[in-house]
Amino acid sequence: DGGITQSPKYLFRKEGQNVTLSCEQNLNHDAMYWYRQDPGQGLRLIYYSQIVNDFQKGDIAEGYSVSREKKESFPLTVTSAQKNPTAFYLCASSMPSTGGFRYEQYFGPGTRLTVT
Amino acid sequence: GQNIDQPTEMTATEGAIVQINCTYQTSGFNGLFWYQQHAGEAPTFLSYNVLDGLEEKGRFSSFLSRSKGYSYLLLKELQMKDSASYLCAVRVILTGGGNKLTFGTGTQLKVEL
Repeated sequence: DGGITQSPKYLFRKEGQNVTLSCEQNLNHDAMYWYRQDPGQGLRLIYYSQIVNDFQKGDIAEGYSVSREKKESFPLTVTSAQKNPTAFYLCASSMPSTGGFRYEQYFGPGTRLTVT
Repeated sequence: GQNIDQPTEMTATEGAIVQINCTYQTSGFNGLFWYQQHAGEAPTFLSYNVLDGLEEKGRFSSFLSRSKGYSYLLLKELQMKDSASYLCAVRVILTGGGNKLTFGTGTQLKVEL
């Protein structure tokens, strides 16, 4: 079945450690995205990638880093510089759209990161 | 930048109809999406509007007025399983190419007996 996988579902880390969240898709989508969701808030864009080997900062990129070496994979590293890393992290993918095509974003199941 | 507003919470009765409004201010508009998100789960796509008017899909309909920066999601024959957060998201075209979604904070809908 085609879809997006994120692992693990729950992740616990000590403050000061870097942690990498995985995101893999087999939908053959060019574009991939990372969002963060905090309780009672909407999704905020961290980083996005429209094509392999290229990515751009979203609205809240500070303290995060990404890579896009393969079309299928878009891992997110939460560094120790991120001041409030505890959150629900969602990865998404879509076909890139510059016209009026629907090309909705499909979301993975998410990773809940807790840093203490 | 983009600004998207939607009510924080709504309550409705099973079997009834509920309308969730969304207003937005943006440049480079390229479509408006509605997603449903149950607690602790990923958002799932509900509807998409890029032209003015109403899009109907089963119990769910979505309306868009681009001149007013306004959309609503209409849910009919409410069921208990419709209790969830409903996210309004606007897609914009970026200057350097590509696009991105900006999400509202979501409307938490509670369906009661």
